[in-house]
Amino acid sequence: AQSVSQHNHHVILSEAASLELGCNYSYGGTVNLFWYVQYPGQHLQLLLKYFSGDPLVKGIKGFEAEFIKSKFSFNLRKPSVQWSDTAEYFCASGSARQLTFGSGTQLTVLP
Amino acid sequence: NAGVTQTPKFQVLKTGQSMTLQCAQDMNHEYMSWYRQDPGMGLRLIHYSVGAGITDQGEVPNGYNVSRSTTEDFPLRLLSAAPSQTSVYFCASSYKAGGPPNNEQFFGPGTRLTVL
Repeated sequence: AQSVSQHNHHVILSEAASLELGCNYSYGGTVNLFWYVQYPGQHLQLLLKYFSGDPLVKGIKGFEAEFIKSKFSFNLRKPSVQWSDTAEYFCASGSARQLTFGSGTQLTVLP
Repeated sequence: NAGVTQTPKFQVLKTGQSMTLQCAQDMNHEYMSWYRQDPGMGLRLIHYSVGAGITDQGEVPNGYNVSRSTTEDFPLRLLSAAPSQTSVYFCASSYKAGGPPNNEQFFGPGTRLTVL
């Protein structure tokens, strides 16, 4: 069975700091990877996705992620966070007919 | 388009009661799914459907039933609620019958369920 690991449960940053959230997946076959964000009181929204091609994927709101096959990783990055980025971030791996989510990382950005 | 809608937003049940969580989408999506979200565990797939009349189990199906009589609706039924089913439930849909991995899933606003 697939699994997705997110290493950081809670990250606290000051505005303008750089962000990197770790994500590792276990599936060895063809993978499709996603990052979703859940702002307080809202439903999940897609930040970015990787299916194939350029391993550096750019998403919305200045986020990007890099797929490193040799490390089974798909880390999320943003060069300069804002207070409005405070949210919970979920990495997910898709194959067959299911998405498998990581446990999530709560990001708190201090003004 | 309203997207994916869920009702109710909040629900409190007593152990042993039954209820149905409603989910509807107006995007003509073939694939629909139900997840539960618990602290520290992310989202876990309960059941999914690749089209009307076709459903299958996900990671945590026990205690839940689903049916898909129309493309638009995908209700989730709790036959005899238990405290372990206290959670936030999200419905999601995507365009292709194959669902992920090739399509973005659109999520509903969630239903917060408490079982006493």
